[in-house]
Amino acid sequence: QSALTQPASVSGSPGQSITISCTGTSGDVGSYKFVTWYQQHPGKVPKVMIYEGSKRPSGVSNRFSGSKSGNTASLTISGLQAEDEADYYCCSYANTNIYIFGTGTKVTVL
Amino acid sequence: QVLLEQSGAEVEKPGASVRLSCQASGYTSVINYIHWVRQAPGQGLEWMGVFYPDADTSAYTEKFRGRITLTRDTSATTFYMELSGLTSEDTALYYCATEVPRAYWFGPWGQGTLVTVSS
Repeated sequence: QSALTQPASVSGSPGQSITISCTGTSGDVGSYKFVTWYQQHPGKVPKVMIYEGSKRPSGVSNRFSGSKSGNTASLTISGLQAEDEADYYCCSYANTNIYIFGTGTKVTVL
Repeated sequence: QVLLEQSGAEVEKPGASVRLSCQASGYTSVINYIHWVRQAPGQGLEWMGVFYPDADTSAYTEKFRGRITLTRDTSATTFYMELSGLTSEDTALYYCATEVPRAYWFGPWGQGTLVTVSS
């Protein structure tokens, strides 16, 4: 199965809001609520920012929010801060007990 | 808190196999699933497969079917990923990551093992 489609890069100024899309198919994003968003800083392991499409683990800032419509999930970062500059990956559970990652989005804080 | 410690870097020749380990500690009574994810240099994350300790079974993405084997040792705290038929395209950082059963997200992660395939 093909990777979920994300924009290669998204940028914003401090304080602004940005949204990253993650487009899949009816066999993954469209059929399951289990979309997770990971943040990865250079040289670091990925960190969960959003799970089950819209839930935040404890300790994750409420500036991060998730949603889904049809085959597309989205991650919104509001009040953008310098520390949010990182790569972001969506990941969806799919048919037959497999998972699919997105292509990844580099977020730049201008 | 579960901690995952992965084995050291490996250098392999094309056509060879590599076996990576992932030692888990800090378990409670929950036996977590163990996922394997890789990341080629400068590239994105790629899910490879998952080992279910409670059922002693695995699931793999189609791309690696026939080349990947996920197992554990008898102590049930060390997990292994073997990948055969290596090519230069398998050069990557390989992570193991844990999942609380049916949580559908991965974390914590191991520190990663770099596998370099070169003649």
